Amino acid sequence: QQQVKQSPQSLIVQKGGIPIINCAYENTAFDYFPWYQQFPGKGPALLIAIRPDVSEKKEGRFTISFNKSAKQFSLHIMDSQPGDSATYFCAASSHTGANNLFFGTGTRLTVIP
Amino acid sequence: EAGVAQSPRYKIIEKRQSVAFWCNPISGHATLYWYQQILGQGPKLLIQFQNNGVVDDSQLPKDRFSAERLKGVDSTLKIQPAKLEDSAVYLCASSPTHENEQFFGPGTRLTVL
Repeated sequence: QQQVKQSPQSLIVQKGGIPIINCAYENTAFDYFPWYQQFPGKGPALLIAIRPDVSEKKEGRFTISFNKSAKQFSLHIMDSQPGDSATYFCAASSHTGANNLFFGTGTRLTVIP
Repeated sequence: EAGVAQSPRYKIIEKRQSVAFWCNPISGHATLYWYQQILGQGPKLLIQFQNNGVVDDSQLPKDRFSAERLKGVDSTLKIQPAKLEDSAVYLCASSPTHENEQFFGPGTRLTVL
């Protein structure tokens, strides 16, 4: 059973566009929602993360929007650049227990110059 | 600060052979994770260590997979015997405690023929 569902599977945007990647979860115990960026041949790297006490968090060109009632969260990339072309994973974890990360299936983003 | 180190980076074996992967976490990180990332999917946790103790190994196929972290620093993951479906990237991650950001290594790409 997929704990975190992610869409779309792939996304192509023009430079300067605003790609949006969406994730949904069912486990209401989740209280930490990070986004990871992965380039080919590299391990995932933390991009930005949010906790459910806020509805939005912005770091540079990256923004997470969080809707606790709908159990959904999304990543927006403002003024996207070709260097943003990578695979993006959402994830979720709960501080109770082992605090393990459950990852979505990933979105391959391509930003066309 | 040096990142998480993994070796080898690539490994090709035939089914029913055995293989071992090595991970050296970031210095001082108490928590170490092994993930399996099948092509086109998000990482899936196999096992989590806190120092040299196992916190969660519920997703580890214990009939063929084993892992150890004897001195609470580096760790090895072994597969014996390997199956075709074990072809994946095996990622190691570490964090200062189990409640902090996880830092990933570059992974070992395993191909089982």
